[in-house]
Amino acid sequence: AQSVTQLGSHVSVSEGALVLLRCNYSSSVPPYLFWYVQYPNQGLQLLLKYTTGATLVKGINGFEAEFKKSETSFHLTKPSAHMSDAAEYFCAVSDILTGGGNKLTFGTGTQLKVEL
Amino acid sequence: SQTIHQWPATLVQPVGSPLSLECTVEGTSNPNLYWYRQAAGRGLQLLFYSVGIGQISSEVPQNLSASRPQDRQFILSSKKLLLSDSGFYLCAWRSGGAPTQYFGPGTRLTVL
Repeated sequence: AQSVTQLGSHVSVSEGALVLLRCNYSSSVPPYLFWYVQYPNQGLQLLLKYTTGATLVKGINGFEAEFKKSETSFHLTKPSAHMSDAAEYFCAVSDILTGGGNKLTFGTGTQLKVEL
Repeated sequence: SQTIHQWPATLVQPVGSPLSLECTVEGTSNPNLYWYRQAAGRGLQLLFYSVGIGQISSEVPQNLSASRPQDRQFILSSKKLLLSDSGFYLCAWRSGGAPTQYFGPGTRLTVL
């Protein structure tokens, strides 16, 4: 079964500073990888995804992530944090279900705090 | 474009009462549908998924059930709620040929 590890349940950065949220996965097959963002009392919004092709993927709101197979990592970065980036971020890996369809296995999430 | 709706947005129910949460998707046909629960300190847990009308698979045995009476409608139910059923319930859909899941706005359920 796939698994996802997000290092750091809470990350705090200053406005304008680099954001780095870490995600490592385990997968027995080439993975599909995702980052979602969740604002308080809202659903999950897709930030970006890696399926095939270019290993550096760009998403919404200036975020990007790089798939590194040798390191089994998919870290999320943003060059300059904004106050509106404060939210919880989830990394996920796609798995195949025995009944058909796919399943997302999520990390435990990283709460990003942006300070003035 | 596709949209996903959930209702109600919030719900407070007494222990032992029934539950019905509804999820509908617009702008697509024959989606894969999912119910997740997000409980404090327990991350996101897949509860049920469906690849077609009347086809329901359960990931975790529990006090809940799901049904899919129409192609784009997914219902989560319980006959008698437990305190441990409290949480944030998220519905998601996926187009059959793509890996990405898209989430609804969620329902906050508090069982007292």
